[in-house]
Amino acid sequence: GDSVTQMEGPVTLSEEAFLTINCTYTATGYPSLFWYVQYPGEGLQLLLKATKADDKGSNKGFEATYRKETTSFHLEKGSVQVSDSAVYFCALSDRGATGYSTLTFGKGTMLLVSP
Amino acid sequence: GAGVSQSPRYKVAKRGQDVALRCDPISGHVSLFWYQQALGQGPEFLTYFQNEAQLDKSGLPSDRFFAERPEGSVSTLKIQRTQQEDSAVYLCASSLALAGEDSPLHFGNGTRLTVT
Repeated sequence: GDSVTQMEGPVTLSEEAFLTINCTYTATGYPSLFWYVQYPGEGLQLLLKATKADDKGSNKGFEATYRKETTSFHLEKGSVQVSDSAVYFCALSDRGATGYSTLTFGKGTMLLVSP
Repeated sequence: GAGVSQSPRYKVAKRGQDVALRCDPISGHVSLFWYQQALGQGPEFLTYFQNEAQLDKSGLPSDRFFAERPEGSVSTLKIQRTQQEDSAVYLCASSLALAGEDSPLHFGNGTRLTVT
């Protein structure tokens, strides 16, 4: 079945450092890929998405490129802020034969940014 | 505007008790999902509703778990005879369009269930 693997955390960075959170996936079809973020005490929020190979999703300075050849969707940001401290989840959505699709999530990676 | 609302925010149950968790989706949203998130894990799919129809319940871990959405809006997830392994955060999410269509999924803040 479908699965998502992301790097374990916590990832601890200083403010303005470069961020990479690795994510790889396994899927039988042609999934859409997502990054969700969960800030402390809040619900999951969609951060960015990509629906086909070579698409780049971007939002709030974060980027991720759908790489079909390496089955990856790594999250990057050039300069993190303290307010980026949160848990980040990589996820995929694969419609399959049912005609509808549900999200399959990775385990999440906690990011801690210090001033 | 109002988002997805879940209640209660926290629930403590003694092993063997029944619990009911409520989800109020965004008004007009067709699709509704329940996910279970164990500590330190990502959310795992439980069940999916399209309006009042439960189209997929393949993720429900046992027959002690039951979900309904009788009028196509509010949904209730019921867990009978709770066990310690049921302790988790239960997330509800809704979407305007059918699952798989390009419509963002809106998550509630979840209900944290602790079974003692």
